Amino acid sequence: DAGVTQSPTHLIKTRGQHVTLRCSPISGHKSVSWYQQVLGQGPQFIFQYYEKEERGRGNFPDRFSARQFPNYSSELNVNALLLGDSALYLCASSGGQGEETQYFGPGTRLLVL
Amino acid sequence: GNSVTQMEGPVTLSEEAFLTINCTYTATGYPSLFWYVQYPGEGLQLLLKATKADDKGSNKGFEATYRKETTSFHLEKGSVQVSDSAVYFCALRMNTGFQKLVFGTGTRLLVSP
Repeated sequence: DAGVTQSPTHLIKTRGQHVTLRCSPISGHKSVSWYQQVLGQGPQFIFQYYEKEERGRGNFPDRFSARQFPNYSSELNVNALLLGDSALYLCASSGGQGEETQYFGPGTRLLVL
Repeated sequence: GNSVTQMEGPVTLSEEAFLTINCTYTATGYPSLFWYVQYPGEGLQLLLKATKADDKGSNKGFEATYRKETTSFHLEKGSVQVSDSAVYFCALRMNTGFQKLVFGTGTRLLVSP
């Protein structure tokens, strides 16, 4: 089975622009979480979605938003990009709301100039 | 709040040396604990996990034991290989509410032949 897939792999934007990142979970997984990993640091939680509903949100500004589709894939949107948004954005999927392990995709590397 | 503290790197070892990477946590309650590994240019891979006190997680020669009394989850391997060179992240997840992973800052391991 395919693992978690993310697209695009790399992206370059300029300040003030908008970006959409996409994630497809492992087949059968209903929960998707997004994390931001700034260079040299550990990943920071942004959102979790389960069955198309937001279940948790980290300490990120309203410029960050996300949604989950009926097929459980997900999009992360970031508006009004800042230089500090440059990071590796990781998507993780898990089976549901219980104590399931999260499996990560390869990430999208975003560079804001 | 909940947090994870890892030893700072890089940890530099020769092939076949013994590895220990320290990880301690602070949590209100009893979290599940994880070690993830990140190879250059890639996302995170789950290495091992433990869900309750005294559990030992193991995989690919790596081991870690959940120590409630010392709030620790140190990663060990008896004989490292060059291919183990990567960044290792310790993480916790509370078993109530949504599945937010809290990561440490990561420890880079460099193994030389």
